Amino acid sequence: GNSVTQMEGPVTLSEEAFLTINCTYTATGYPSLFWYVQYPGEGLQLLLKATKADDKGSNKGFEATYRKETTSFHLEKGSVQVSDSAVYFCALSDLERGSYIPTFGRGTSLIVHP
Amino acid sequence: EADIYQTPRYLVIGTGKKITLECSQTMGHDKMYWYQQDPGMELHLIHYSYGVNSTEKGDLSSESTVSRIRTEHFPLTLESARPSHTSQYLCASSERVVTDTQYFGPGTRLTVL
Repeated sequence: GNSVTQMEGPVTLSEEAFLTINCTYTATGYPSLFWYVQYPGEGLQLLLKATKADDKGSNKGFEATYRKETTSFHLEKGSVQVSDSAVYFCALSDLERGSYIPTFGRGTSLIVHP
Repeated sequence: EADIYQTPRYLVIGTGKKITLECSQTMGHDKMYWYQQDPGMELHLIHYSYGVNSTEKGDLSSESTVSRIRTEHFPLTLESARPSHTSQYLCASSERVVTDTQYFGPGTRLTVL
């Protein structure tokens, strides 16, 4: 079956530091890959996505590149802000059980200090 | 901006009560989902639907049931709530396409005493 593995948190950084959150996946087909973000007290929202190999998703200064050869989709940001403090979920969508069922990682909490 | 709504946002009830968590979306999406989110933030898929009159069980065994009589509405019902049902419940919807971006509601935080 499909699976997503992301680094455990919490990740604690100072403002303006560089961020990397690692994500690797296992899929039987050719999945679409996503990063979602969850702010306190809210549901998840899409941060970025990529649908084929070597695609780079980007949004709000965050980037992730779909690497088929290493089955990875690592999230990066050059300079984090306090407002980026949230939980980040890596996810994939792949054909399984006859439909596109999403698979989520366990989430990585990011804490950014001023 | 996604238009998916959940009510109530917070609910505290006693053991044995029957409850229904409401979820509605105005985007015309075929697919809808219910997730249970544990305190460690991990998401567990408990039910999903491909469209009207379609419901499937997810990966997490659940004592809840769902119905899909209208495209926009996907309520989740607990016939007899127990303390083990205490959790955050998230509803989501998506189009029936490969790229399948999910749109989430704000969640219902349920506490069963």
